[in-house]
Amino acid sequence: SQTIHQWPATLVQPVGSPLSLECTVEGTSNPNLYWYRQAAGRGLQLLFYSVGIGQISSEVPQNLSASRPQDRQFILSSKKLLLSDSGFYLCAWSEWTGRNSPLHFGNGTRLTVT
Amino acid sequence: GNSVTQMEGPVTLSEEAFLTINCTYTATGYPSLFWYVQYPGEGLQLLLKATKADDKGSNKGFEATYRKETTSFHLEKGSVQVSDSAVYFCALTVNTGNQFYFGTGTSLTVIP
Repeated sequence: SQTIHQWPATLVQPVGSPLSLECTVEGTSNPNLYWYRQAAGRGLQLLFYSVGIGQISSEVPQNLSASRPQDRQFILSSKKLLLSDSGFYLCAWSEWTGRNSPLHFGNGTRLTVT
Repeated sequence: GNSVTQMEGPVTLSEEAFLTINCTYTATGYPSLFWYVQYPGEGLQLLLKATKADDKGSNKGFEATYRKETTSFHLEKGSVQVSDSAVYFCALTVNTGNQFYFGTGTSLTVIP
């Protein structure tokens, strides 16, 4: 069966510090991978998605970036965090086979920028 | 374009009450429809799905029917429990399935 791992679960970082959140998927090949952000009490905002190694689509302009160095690894980064980067970050994956495949989410990372 | 509209929350119900959370959509192409549930401090979990018109998705006592004529996918449960307290998201994907469109979420609180 497929599993998704996302870490760390919680993170407190000062403004201006770098960020690296990692997500890996097991039990599937060539998944579509996604990073979402959820502000407190708000809905989901798609940040990045990837349909293959090195292929990243950015949905919103910001100081965040994403990379996919391996087929089942997706990394969210920032060189300098802003207070507004605080939130709940969710990694997700879906099968590449088309519209019938749902998204499967990790347990999320709670990021607090101080 | 593609979008999902959910009823505004929060919704507060007594235990064993009937639940309906409305969801309507617009889509270019033929969408698949999903309901997700998010418990406090956790990621989203797939609750149920439907991939074609008149399909009924069901899980854990929850049901939703894909209504193409009314572009709706309302979530229902006959008797809610305290453990159903969570935020519920309606979502769709179309065509290649690369992109998902979510509603804003509906918070449900069930009181004993």
